[in-house]
Amino acid sequence: DSGVTQTPKHLITATGQRVTLRCSPRSGDLSVYWYQQSLDQGLQFLIQYYNGEERAKGNILERFSAQQFPDLHSELNLSSLELGDSALYFCASSDTEGNSPLHFGNGTRLTVT
Amino acid sequence: GESVGLHLPTLSVQEGDNSIINCAYSNSASDYFIWYKQESGKGPQFIIDIRSNMDKRQGQRVTVLLNKTVKHLSLQIAATQPGDSAVYFCAENILPSGTYKYIFGTGTRLKVLA
Repeated sequence: DSGVTQTPKHLITATGQRVTLRCSPRSGDLSVYWYQQSLDQGLQFLIQYYNGEERAKGNILERFSAQQFPDLHSELNLSSLELGDSALYFCASSDTEGNSPLHFGNGTRLTVT
Repeated sequence: GESVGLHLPTLSVQEGDNSIINCAYSNSASDYFIWYKQESGKGPQFIIDIRSNMDKRQGQRVTVLLNKTVKHLSLQIAATQPGDSAVYFCAENILPSGTYKYIFGTGTRLKVLA
């Protein structure tokens, strides 16, 4: 068990809808990262937060947004969903801003129908 | 994307044999490397890491070797067991412009044959 908790485990929704994925990092970790993993691509970096502030952005669509709250949990909001957004979404945490292991949750599997 | 590939290379190994999984990384400025194991339906699990000032690091049944000259990383698993069956991928960590960035490889599927 990595100590990173993601909810929900599975999400099925329709195109055009909006969903929120939630992540609780390991105790003591200040950095939270969001990744997307689909069948035709590996882990794609979306965004990173450190102690409540956005630190880095990857290939995150404008329809997607995230935040990290004062208690360090993070939420990833996906709106105007398209079929191509179906994927596994992983949250990872680390104790620094980088240069240390990322510890991943078990992901949220999003299916857009 | 930076890591692409629908068809993962597969390594089939007899139970009890040693496994060697290879990874070529992309950036000579990368100074920290991590190996992950991902089982079906689960998130990537940290196995072992190594910093660029080292050539070799050992863990429990695993060894990581780093060859900076040819930008190559390998993971050796001793006495491979059925529970080792998973996708393994490496990650390199780099500081391109003030923020650390992790770049993940596409992965190798390890199949352990009984």
